[in-house]
Amino acid sequence: DAKTTQPNSMESNEEEPVHLPCNHSTISGTDYIHWYRQLPSQGPEYVIHGLTSNVNNRMASLAIAEDRKSSTLILHRATLRDAAVYYCILRGSGGYQKVTFGTGTKLQVIP
Amino acid sequence: GAGVSQSPRYKVAKRGQDVALRCDPISGHVSLFWYQQALGQGPEFLTYFQNEAQLDKSGLPSDRFFAERPEGSVSTLKIQRTQQEDSAVYLCASSSAQGALGNQPQHFGDGTRLSIL
Repeated sequence: DAKTTQPNSMESNEEEPVHLPCNHSTISGTDYIHWYRQLPSQGPEYVIHGLTSNVNNRMASLAIAEDRKSSTLILHRATLRDAAVYYCILRGSGGYQKVTFGTGTKLQVIP
Repeated sequence: GAGVSQSPRYKVAKRGQDVALRCDPISGHVSLFWYQQALGQGPEFLTYFQNEAQLDKSGLPSDRFFAERPEGSVSTLKIQRTQQEDSAVYLCASSSAQGALGNQPQHFGDGTRLSIL
């Protein structure tokens, strides 16, 4: 399984942008980059995904490096409700592949 | 509801008892996954169904763990002769993609928290 590396924790001030990095140096050409977040006592929640181009949705933006070996999840204005564990995972598009979560990045938002 | 539903939300059992955890996926979703999440860790893959077929059970930790999805919708994860190390949150996810293709997100339930005394 292709793996990802994320910092264990990050802090952000409320209403400031947050950039959450993810390294995936062994990514294959058919792997999508997915981001999920998990609030306490809840299941993971899908945030965004992309293949090569940067992506935007109502929750966040995903910036993908040109060589695709890293990506950054961007929360444009952090709120207290964004405090969660953020997971970056790879999912192949060439057929079934087992999904591997790491330990993610715990984001703390400071009021 | 429109999301993935898991029941019960909490389950306490004595060591040695059998337990059954239920997952109702989003209607029409072909792919269904079970994960185990220990405290402070990310979800660990247990097993994958495509419709009623269990295509990958490589993550099941022992033969005490058994999962089924007989009609391709509701799934049950059964743990026999429970041990204390089985204590964890068990998460179910579904996806509309056949073959669990990477261009479709997984939708997770809120899990069942299992505590073995």
